[in-house]
Amino acid sequence: EPEVTQTPSHQVTQMGQEVILRCVPISNHLYFYWYRQILGQKVEFLVSFYNNEISEKSEIFDDQFSVERPDGSNFTLKIRSTKLEDSAMYFCASWHLRTDTQYFGPGTRLTVL
Amino acid sequence: GENVEQHPSTLSVQEGDSAVIKCTYSDSASNYFPWYKQELGKGPQLIIDIRSNVGEKKDQRIAVTLNKTAKHFSLHITETQPEDSAVYFCAATSNAGGTSYGKLTFGQGTILTVHP
Repeated sequence: EPEVTQTPSHQVTQMGQEVILRCVPISNHLYFYWYRQILGQKVEFLVSFYNNEISEKSEIFDDQFSVERPDGSNFTLKIRSTKLEDSAMYFCASWHLRTDTQYFGPGTRLTVL
Repeated sequence: GENVEQHPSTLSVQEGDSAVIKCTYSDSASNYFPWYKQELGKGPQLIIDIRSNVGEKKDQRIAVTLNKTAKHFSLHITETQPEDSAVYFCAATSNAGGTSYGKLTFGQGTILTVHP
């Protein structure tokens, strides 16, 4: 069964550095998402992406964040200048029209030192 | 915006018992309510969902009920097994036609432990 994949599984970076988190959504899915979960807190929506543009974003998704679908398969989240509070698990998800379901990847744990 | 509250935060049951997890939501426009199970080291996986035109849905040992008037929905797991042990999240969203492509607002999660 197709799955959403994410790389890396764990990323450690220094405060102020740029990071790119990568996702390969399931083929033929139409919407793509990033969510994050700070340790011990709720899973929070960051952004959704449809037809090569941002469909919706939360107040968390400020100018430090950007998303891109550089080719037909990858979907990336870039954080330009990481802060300590960006440490979290970041989940990518994609949505399929036929099943009308959001499928989540295994997550990337980002640690900012 | 939408706010989803989930209770309890932890739930411990004996194998074979039933488990019930409850969620309330604030936005009366919400019309799609999925439940996700998250096992250690994995992403959330959908286990069951319900749309606002339905009051109850069952899938083998799992059922979900929705009370739109009271704005709450619940997950029921019967005949629990040790492999049911995981973190369970409820979520809500509102979209035309009750589709699920919109942003999901999650509850806090419930750690379910099933003792053999």
